[in-house]
Amino acid sequence: EAEVAQSPRYKITEKSQAVAFWCDPISGHATLYWYRQILGQGPELLVQFQDESVVDDSQLPKDRFSAERLKGVDSTLKIQPAELGDSAMYLCASTLSRDPGYGYTFGSGTRLTVV
Amino acid sequence: AQSVTQLGSHVSVSEGALVLLRCNYSSSVPPYLFWYVQYPNQGLQLLLKYTSAATLVKGINGFEAEFKKSETSFHLTKPSAHMSDAAEYFCAVKNLRGGSNYKLTFGKGTLLTVNP
Repeated sequence: EAEVAQSPRYKITEKSQAVAFWCDPISGHATLYWYRQILGQGPELLVQFQDESVVDDSQLPKDRFSAERLKGVDSTLKIQPAELGDSAMYLCASTLSRDPGYGYTFGSGTRLTVV
Repeated sequence: AQSVTQLGSHVSVSEGALVLLRCNYSSSVPPYLFWYVQYPNQGLQLLLKYTSAATLVKGINGFEAEFKKSETSFHLTKPSAHMSDAAEYFCAVKNLRGGSNYKLTFGKGTLLTVNP
């Protein structure tokens, strides 16, 4: 069964350092999402891509977060500088179609701890 | 804006007992609704979805949910809990007014514990 690949699975970084996460969606999935899930809460959308274009980054803290999907396939989410409050699970998801009836396929996530 | 509210952050049942996880939605138009399950340190897996077809939706692992417009609810049920059902469950709604973006918005989750 096709999967959304994310790496690394776990990341510990010091406050003020830069950190990056990588996501490879299911082949052929044009829409890609990055979500942040704080412990004990539901995921919150950070950014949505359609192919290589950002279609929604309204909840992305743009002073420190950036995301790209240069060739419309894999994607990178970066935080610089990291803050203690950024400790969370970062989830990537993809979907085949922008039809609202389609569910998302999620990766296993990257657990970030900022110390 | 569309949203979902999950009643009860933690539900505990005995093995073999009925599982009932509650979800109410807020929407000005009929929404699309989803239930996801998350095991520890894993991503989310789709259990089932309602997309304006049948109001009783059957999903994986024996779960089902019923869309009730009059009650603005989409509760998740399973007749008999298994130990393997212990996980966190998230209800989610898709914003059908978002143009082509159709953002998926999640509730805060319900942690299900199954006791032997």
